Amino acid sequence: IQVTQSPSSLSASVGDRVTITCRASQSISSNLNWYQQKRGKAPQLLIYAASSLQSGVPSRFSGSGSGTDFTLTISSLQPEDFATYYCQQSYSIPLTFGGGTKVEIK
Amino acid sequence: EVQVLESGGGLVQPGGSLRLSCAASGFTFSKHAMNWVRQVPGKGLEWVSIISSGAETTFYADSVKGRFTISRDNSKNTLSLQMNSLRAEDTAIYFCVKASGDYNPRSREFDYWGQGTLVTVSS
Repeated sequence: IQVTQSPSSLSASVGDRVTITCRASQSISSNLNWYQQKRGKAPQLLIYAASSLQSGVPSRFSGSGSGTDFTLTISSLQPEDFATYYCQQSYSIPLTFGGGTKVEIK
Repeated sequence: EVQVLESGGGLVQPGGSLRLSCAASGFTFSKHAMNWVRQVPGKGLEWVSIISSGAETTFYADSVKGRFTISRDNSKNTLSLQMNSLRAEDTAIYFCVKASGDYNPRSREFDYWGQGTLVTVSS
């Protein structure tokens, strides 16, 4: 299953609403997860099962979607949110990641 | 506190072998599937392999199938990745990754990641 993320990069300001999309090549139900990776660090789980917020993750992060189309939304971008975001399908082997979306400061 | 700590990375010649290890603590290791995920520096994430909680089930990415072997020792809370016939394209940071549950029959999300160990394949 191929997972396509868009955009590959974006520039935004603190306080902006940011939306990242992920499209699967076939239906994956709600088996879609989102990760944040900061430079030089390991990825961290943000959202699992398409819309469930991982413990400790700020509520400005949210996820939605099912089937083939999914969205990660940051309601009000904070300075610590500038990072690269990846979606990942856990529906079938091989597990696959999207290509990533780099969120940069405008 | 959940911790996963990789070791064993380094420089190896093409065609050579390397064994990565991951020491886990802070959770019931024997109840969780474990994975290896790799990342070429500056590039995206690539899943490599998964092993179920009791080691009954293993899967591999096509890019490493037949060359890499994942294993675990639940008595020692350790995960391993034996890498043989290494190629330049295997050069990457390798992350040991805990799944939130077991593989039964689907994978679960990756809830804890190690800091990674760098493998460089070069002559």
